[in-house]
Amino acid sequence: SQTIHQWPATLVQPVGSPLSLECTVEGTSNPNLYWYRQAAGRGLQLLFYSVGIGQISSEVPQNLSASRPQDRQFILSSKKLLLSDSGFYLCAWSPNTDTQYFGPGTRLTVL
Amino acid sequence: DQQVKQNSPSLSVQEGRISILNCDYTNSMFDYFLWYKKYPAEGPTFLISISSIKDKNEDGRFTVFLNKSAKHLSLHIVPSQPGDSAVYFCAAIPPGAGSYQLTFGKGTKLSVIP
Repeated sequence: SQTIHQWPATLVQPVGSPLSLECTVEGTSNPNLYWYRQAAGRGLQLLFYSVGIGQISSEVPQNLSASRPQDRQFILSSKKLLLSDSGFYLCAWSPNTDTQYFGPGTRLTVL
Repeated sequence: DQQVKQNSPSLSVQEGRISILNCDYTNSMFDYFLWYKKYPAEGPTFLISISSIKDKNEDGRFTVFLNKSAKHLSLHIVPSQPGDSAVYFCAAIPPGAGSYQLTFGKGTKLSVIP
């Protein structure tokens, strides 16, 4: 069966510091991968998606970036965090069908 | 521009009664709809989906109804249980777009009172 991992589970970072969140998927090949953010009082906002290694599409221009160095690895990064980057970050995968499956999430607090 | 709308941010229901969660959409091209359930500090869990060629899909206590003419879908939970207390997200996909076009509503927080 397929599983999706995210780490860290929680993170507290100062403003201006870098960020690296990692997501890996097991038990499948060539999945579509996604990064979402859920900010307080808001829904799920799609940040990036990837249909293959090195292929990244950005939905929302901001100071975040994403990379897919391996088939089942998706990384969310920032060079300098802003206060507004605080939120709950979710990685998801889909097997090229209509349903996405989410990871456990990372709670990021920027102080 | 919110293409998928969940106009009720919260809903309280007595245990054992029916919970009805509503979702409206504006894009008539959407042809596949999903419901997700989310507990605090966890990722959303897929619950149930429905294709636009159907008007009802049932899975245990969960039933999703789709009214294409009204651009409205609803999730019925019968009977409601305290463990159903969570935030429920409605999502939709336009045809041929692939799941990366999944558009979510803002969610409805369901509280089931014992």
